[in-house]
Amino acid sequence: DQQVKQNSPSLSVQEGRISILNCDYTNSMFDYFLWYKKYPAEGPTFLISISSIKDKNEDGRFTVFLNKSAKHLSLHIVPSQPGDSAVYFCAASKDGGTSYGKLTFGQGTILTVHP
Amino acid sequence: GAVVSQHPSRVICKSGTSVKIECRSLDFQATTMFWYRQFPKQSLMLMATSNEGSKATYEQGVEKDKFLINHASLTLSTLTVTSAHPEDSSFYICSAIGPTADTQYFGPGTRLTVL
Repeated sequence: DQQVKQNSPSLSVQEGRISILNCDYTNSMFDYFLWYKKYPAEGPTFLISISSIKDKNEDGRFTVFLNKSAKHLSLHIVPSQPGDSAVYFCAASKDGGTSYGKLTFGQGTILTVHP
Repeated sequence: GAVVSQHPSRVICKSGTSVKIECRSLDFQATTMFWYRQFPKQSLMLMATSNEGSKATYEQGVEKDKFLINHASLTLSTLTVTSAHPEDSSFYICSAIGPTADTQYFGPGTRLTVL
């Protein structure tokens, strides 16, 4: 079963606007969540993460929000830039709040930022 | 940041042959590496956890006799797909726990096509 879901396969946004990527999970044992960015023919690169004890983490243009009761997290990118165009994967871990245990990935969302 | 390489980046083989994929941590030692597989339009699925000097731990449903993993050194893990069949065609990605154990670093992936 798909324990981490990204229900939007694609998202198109105008440059300068906000991009909001969503992710839902079903396993309440997950305690650490990550977002990865992936370009074609490359491996995923780490963007930002959040522990289950927090509800928000911000790093520059990237902010991740976590709603534990809804088992939902989102990644906000503002302002969006054309270079942000890539596939974004949401991932979850249940290894005691670490980012280096086994990761369960969502299906990914293709973000396209138009100039 | 830490760099993980994979070789080859792309391989085409005939059904019934074996293919070896290498994963190297270039500027750090990785006691633990992970192997993932990604089918088109699907998420990255963890296949196995590779620990240096010990046997790999396989996820449920992954045949250990078909996907042989060897982690003989702190910088190299290999995945051998034995007696490959067309259904093994996929994108294989490895990752390694970073030098400060803060996150996983992913390789660029290997596209395997079995004819």
